[in-house]
Amino acid sequence: GAGVSQTPSNKVTEKGKYVELRCDPISGHTALYWYRQSLGQGPEFLIYFQGTGAADDSGLPNDRFFAVRPEGSVSTLKIQRTERGDSAVYLCASSPRQASTDTQYFGPGTRLTVL
Amino acid sequence: GQQVMQIPQYQHVQEGEDFTTYCNSSTTLSNIQWYKQRPGGHPVFLIQLVKSGEVKKQKRLTFQFGEAKKNSSLHITATQTTDVGTYFCAGTGGGNKLTFGTGTQLKVEL
Repeated sequence: GAGVSQTPSNKVTEKGKYVELRCDPISGHTALYWYRQSLGQGPEFLIYFQGTGAADDSGLPNDRFFAVRPEGSVSTLKIQRTERGDSAVYLCASSPRQASTDTQYFGPGTRLTVL
Repeated sequence: GQQVMQIPQYQHVQEGEDFTTYCNSSTTLSNIQWYKQRPGGHPVFLIQLVKSGEVKKQKRLTFQFGEAKKNSSLHITATQTTDVGTYFCAGTGGGNKLTFGTGTQLKVEL
C-alpha cells in the first residue's frame, strides 16, 4: 500500500514568509508525528497527534510553529515569519496506534530552505 | 531532558569488516528502536527492543539492549556496500515521543 507522503518535496522561501508543509499518513494510522532534521543530526521531535488532537507539542521550538490535523488524517505544519534557522528537512511519520512500541513509518520529508 | 548519544560519529570500514555503533541514553528507556537512513533518504525502521538484556538478530545485524535499559548497540558482521548509511537509535521514556540519537555514519569501501 501507499506509504507516508509529504508535499512539497522542496520548499524555498524568503525570511519572514509563511509556509505550510503537508503530510498524508498511511491510511488508517491514528498517530501522526512531525520531526525536524538538520544536516548531520538525528530527527528532532516536534509534535504528535492522536486522531485530531495534539497529544504532545512539547517539541515545537516557539509560537511561530503550529500544526493541525482537523479530520484525523492529513496534517499541516505551519511556520510563520520564517527564519534562516528554520532551514531543515521536516519529516512526518505515522503509526497504527498511540502505543510507544509502535513502529513509526517515515515519509520522504520536505526540505525547507529559508533564504 | 532526555539525551541520546551515539559513538562513533563516523566509521569507515573495508567491505567484509565488522562494524559496531553504541547508543547511550541519559535516562532509562522503555524501549529502543533502530533506524537506517541512506544518503538523501528518510529513516527506515529496522528493529525494536523492549526487554532488559534483549538480543535480536536480523541476518548480519545483531542488536542488544542493555540490562539497565540505558544503552544499546548494533553490530554488523561482514559489512557490504549496501550497508552504507547513517544508523540512528531512538528511545522512548514511556510516552510516544521518540528521542533520536546523534547517529553513526557508516561508509564501506571496496
